[in-house]
Amino acid sequence: NAGVTQTPKFQVLKTGQSMTLQCAQDMNHNSMYWYRQDPGMGLRLIYYSASEGTTDKGEVPNGYNVSRLNKREFSLRLESAAPSQTSVYFCASTRDRAMNTEAFFGQGTRLTVV
Amino acid sequence: AQSVTQLDSQVPVFEEAPVELRCNYSSSVSVYLFWYVQYPNQGLQLLLKYLSGSTLVKGINGFEAEFNKSQTSFHLRKPSVHISDTAEYFCAVSDPGNAGNMLTFGGGTRLMVKP
Repeated sequence: NAGVTQTPKFQVLKTGQSMTLQCAQDMNHNSMYWYRQDPGMGLRLIYYSASEGTTDKGEVPNGYNVSRLNKREFSLRLESAAPSQTSVYFCASTRDRAMNTEAFFGQGTRLTVV
Repeated sequence: AQSVTQLDSQVPVFEEAPVELRCNYSSSVSVYLFWYVQYPNQGLQLLLKYLSGSTLVKGINGFEAEFNKSQTSFHLRKPSVHISDTAEYFCAVSDPGNAGNMLTFGGGTRLMVKP
C-alpha cells in the first residue's frame, strides 16, 4: 500500500549542480503536484499536472522544470541549483481536478544546496 | 488570489487539555476548506474537510473544525489532546474558481503537547 513514493529522501547539492526528484503514485490518480515547504510559509505549489500529458506552472515555478512521464510518474528537475532552493519538496496526487478531493502526499525530499 | 493565515506558529499545551488552532482565509466567495496534519519526518495527511452543509466538521483522531463564513475562519479544535497529537497542522483552501485544484496553504501551526 505505497501511495505516493518520492526519491531520494535526502540530497545535498552544490550550487550550479542539477538533479531530478522522482515521484510515483500507485492510486491511478489523474492529477499530480509538486510543492515546496519552507518554515513559516506552509506549502507553495511549484508545478502541477492536471492529467497525463499536461503540466502547468504554480505559484513558484522559477528555477524548476517538470515532466509527467506517464500517469504514475511526475518528476521535478532543478537545472542549476541555487541556495534559495534549499527546502523540503513534496509530491502529491489527487484523483482528479475536482476541488473537493483529498490530496495524498509523499514523505518528502529534504534538499540542501550549498 | 487566496491567502490563508494561521495566527499561531506554535501552540504549547499540556496533555488532556483542550486546544484550538486558528485559521482565517481571505476570500468571502465559496471555498473548500481543509486541515492537514504532518507528523515528524512524514508527508501531510488529511485531518478533515469542509465542502458544504453543516458548519461543524468532524475528522480523524477526535479533531473537529467549525466553518464561519462571516468571519472567514475555519478553526480546528480538540477537547483533550494526547502526546501523539504533537505535529504540525496546516489549514488549506481550495477555490473552485482556480484551475488545477490548487490548494493554498497557511504557514502551519506546530502543536506541542507536553506531559
